[in-house]
Amino acid sequence: GAVVSQHPSRVICKSGTSVKIECRSLDFQATTMFWYRQFPKQSLMLMATSNEGSKATYEQGVEKDKFLINHASLTLSTLTVTSAHPEDSSFYICSATGTSGSRRIDEQFFGPGTRLTVL
Amino acid sequence: AQKITQTQPGMFVQEKEAVTLDCTYDTSDQSYGLFWYKQPSSGEMIFLIYQGSYDEQNATEGRYSLNFQKARKSANLVISASQLGDSAMYFCAMRYISSGSARQLTFGSGTQLTVLP
Repeated sequence: GAVVSQHPSRVICKSGTSVKIECRSLDFQATTMFWYRQFPKQSLMLMATSNEGSKATYEQGVEKDKFLINHASLTLSTLTVTSAHPEDSSFYICSATGTSGSRRIDEQFFGPGTRLTVL
Repeated sequence: AQKITQTQPGMFVQEKEAVTLDCTYDTSDQSYGLFWYKQPSSGEMIFLIYQGSYDEQNATEGRYSLNFQKARKSANLVISASQLGDSAMYFCAMRYISSGSARQLTFGSGTQLTVLP
């Protein structure tokens, strides 16, 4: 299967700072990436969908100015949590679909997630 | 709108026994896909099994099988011969085509499975 990595796996930051999370597809071209947020004991909630080279499409209720998404290449998308506050503490997971050579990859492959703690 | 319902917040099963995790869905689409994922405490999402809406046979992957009843809109996961390592959160998800043409997933609330020795 296709491999997606995320960095960092854990991050602790002070309130008011910005945090950048990277999501990379290692062995395929990720034309579409998805960013999810998961609070403890809850399900994954889609935050935004991004296509390479285009602006991200945000789900209702997600502040696009707070959660900046950049998908500038076929292997990398970044999520920047700007001016983070304790309520932004959560588990952030990315996933990707795309192509590998001439083969289309429809299934979403997930990264291992990033646990953000804002003090 | 698409909706996935998992009515069992927690389930217990004895090691080596079979367990069924329930999942019902609601969609007006004719073409959709149903997935089951396992999420251990480490947080990674592990793909288990997939069922397409037009697949006539129930999907099977090793000890996992999907009991797909299209008329009832249910897609229950059956785990046979449970192992201690099966203890995890299990999510049912449905793939659909969004208004933006992206193939998105919507997830159920999850079932926490605990396998007892």
